[in-house]
Amino acid sequence: GAGVSQSPRYKVAKRGQDVALRCDPISGHVSLFWYQQALGQGPEFLTYFQNEAQLDKSGLPSDRFFAERPEGSVSTLKIQRTQQEDSAVYLCASSLVSGSYEQYFGPGTRLTVT
Amino acid sequence: AQSVTQLGSHVSVSEGALVLLRCNYSSSVPPYLFWYVQYPNQGLQLLLKYTSAATLVKGINGFEAEFKKSETSFHLTKPSAHMSDAAEYFCAVSGTGTASKLTFGTGTRLQVTL
Repeated sequence: GAGVSQSPRYKVAKRGQDVALRCDPISGHVSLFWYQQALGQGPEFLTYFQNEAQLDKSGLPSDRFFAERPEGSVSTLKIQRTQQEDSAVYLCASSLVSGSYEQYFGPGTRLTVT
Repeated sequence: AQSVTQLGSHVSVSEGALVLLRCNYSSSVPPYLFWYVQYPNQGLQLLLKYTSAATLVKGINGFEAEFKKSETSFHLTKPSAHMSDAAEYFCAVSGTGTASKLTFGTGTRLQVTL
């Protein structure tokens, strides 16, 4: 079946612009995670949803970062007033809640802030 | 807090040689441990996982890892490297909740030479 998809794959934004990154999880997966991967680093947790509820947002680096999943499927990560330090690959992952600890990752969105 | 340490940011092996990628974990509770592989411009793919069943875990593409509690290690091995194994490898740890966030190491880039 279809995996996790993300769009756009690449985004260039001028400093100060707002961006929105989309994640389509695997159908039926109730858990959804966002990670940020800086160049040469491992992914770092940003936030977690179970269905439409955002249960953990401890990894969001500032109040410029906002995520939502209003209908419990598609999720959007929004970054306001982008800064150069926001340049990274943003990865989305989804998983089943019951009986599975595997997270399935999308290809990521590479954000470059100029 | 949980963490993983990957020793060696770059590892180079000859085709046909043994692959050994090192990962040590730190966790106050019994951990779940994972190895992921990332090819250029792609998302993360799960190689294998340890979830407190057998300590020797077999994964895809001929990889395996052994959980050693006494050494707090979860090293990844493959008996014979193939050119297609060249990629970035990440070790990760999570809690034992059904939808816990992953904490990743900084990654090891595997180079395979002729």
